[in-house]
Amino acid sequence: SQQGEEDPQALSIQEGENATMNCSYKTSINNLQWYRQNSGRGLVHLILIRSNEREKHSGRLRVTLDTSKKSSSLLITASRAADTASYFCATVGAYGQNFVFGPGTRLSVLP
Amino acid sequence: EAGVAQSPRYKIIEKRQSVAFWCNPISGHATLYWYQQILGQGPKLLIQFQNNGVVDDSQLPKDRFSAERLKGVDSTLKIQPAKLEDSAVYLCASSLAAGGISYNEQFFGPGTRLTVL
Repeated sequence: SQQGEEDPQALSIQEGENATMNCSYKTSINNLQWYRQNSGRGLVHLILIRSNEREKHSGRLRVTLDTSKKSSSLLITASRAADTASYFCATVGAYGQNFVFGPGTRLSVLP
Repeated sequence: EAGVAQSPRYKIIEKRQSVAFWCNPISGHATLYWYQQILGQGPKLLIQFQNNGVVDDSQLPKDRFSAERLKGVDSTLKIQPAKLEDSAVYLCASSLAAGGISYNEQFFGPGTRLTVL
């Protein structure tokens, strides 16, 4: 299985702190994507990183990818209460196999 | 641009009853996905359509679940008969992906929360 596994399962921080979530996967990938899901809502795409990329930035988000370790991390800087949500990584296989989501990290940002 | 639309938003049924969900993807998106998300878990792909053809339905419980995408636009997902373990949120997503390969980002609808009593 190429399933991504997020770590930690739950994370609680104070507003203004940085939040780091990790994702590990098992097989070769074409790209890895991070999604956010607010309670009771659908998923929202945050960022996509391709297998030949090592780091990408988008606003307060920074994603790294280490294909040798089959892992990725999502860093949210200067967190806000509105960042409270579940965060999922999803992998797309090297030959275009479909999205496989991990179980997610539940982030709570306390005001 | 309008997002992915789903209806109904909530549904409560008794086990052994039937239920159907509807999805309207973003205009121009060739690929449509149905996911099942059980509470506390990540979404699990049930079926993927490329236009009106099925690309992947390997995780669809075909004895009770069916889906169609007539004319390559709207899609319906049906469960008949429902079981208690089908209680979940059913998410529809669409993407521009061509050729049945999911390289691009997916756009999700708000989901339908199904409760089976």
